[in-house]
Amino acid sequence: KQEVTQIPAALSVPEGENLVLNCSFTDSAIYNLQWFRQDPGKGLTSLLLIQSSQREQTSGRLNASLDKSSGRSTLYIAASQPGDSATYLCAVKSGGSYIPTFGRGTSLIVHP
Amino acid sequence: DGGITQSPKYLFRKEGQNVTLSCEQNLNHDAMYWYRQDPGQGLRLIYYSQIVNDFQKGDIAEGYSVSREKKESFPLTVTSAQKNPTAFYLCASSPHPGDWMLAGANVLTFGAGSRLTVL
Repeated sequence: KQEVTQIPAALSVPEGENLVLNCSFTDSAIYNLQWFRQDPGKGLTSLLLIQSSQREQTSGRLNASLDKSSGRSTLYIAASQPGDSATYLCAVKSGGSYIPTFGRGTSLIVHP
Repeated sequence: DGGITQSPKYLFRKEGQNVTLSCEQNLNHDAMYWYRQDPGQGLRLIYYSQIVNDFQKGDIAEGYSVSREKKESFPLTVTSAQKNPTAFYLCASSPHPGDWMLAGANVLTFGAGSRLTVL
C-alpha cells in the first residue's frame, strides 16, 4: 500500500526566503504526483502536476521535481511572501488503482 | 466555468440523524471521490467511484453511504452509524486515466468542502 510522508510538518520563515517542501512515497510505480495548496477552511487548489515521465514542472515562483527511483518529490518556493502561507499537500496516484494517496501536509507560515 | 460544487458549506446534525452532502461536477470527469479531513490529519478516503453506477469503499467507509446514478453527481450520506462525524468533507473528481496527459494541472480537482458538526 502506498504511503506518502511530508516533511516538515510545519515551517515558519521570514518573507523573502527560498524554501523547500518534501514529499516521499514508498511505491515508486506511480502515474503522477500533484501538489496542492489549502487555505484554512477551504478546499484544495492544484499547484503543479508531474506525470511519471517528467522530472519537473514550474509555475511562476514554484518548481516541483520528481525522482521516482528515490521516491521523492520536492516543491521549491522562491522568494516567499506572506500570501504563500497555507498548508501544502502532495498526492500520489499509484499504479493499478489510480486512487490518489495524500500526505498530511506541510503547514507554512511566511511572516513579514 | 467548469468545477465542482459542494453543498451545503456548513451543516449541523443532531445525533441519530442521517445527513446528505451534495457534490456536483461539470468537468465531464469519470471518477469522483469523497475524503474526510480532521485537524492535524491528512485526507482519508471514504468512497470513490470510477464510473456511473459503480463505487468502492475507501479506507474509512463505515457509517457512510454513496450513490452514483449520474456522471455529474456523487452524494455522500453520513448515517447515524458514523460515531464521530464532525469533520471537513471534501469531494474531488478526475478524468479517465487515459485522459490524464490532456488534463493539464487539474488531474484531481476539489470542491470547496462541507463542514459537518454534530450537536
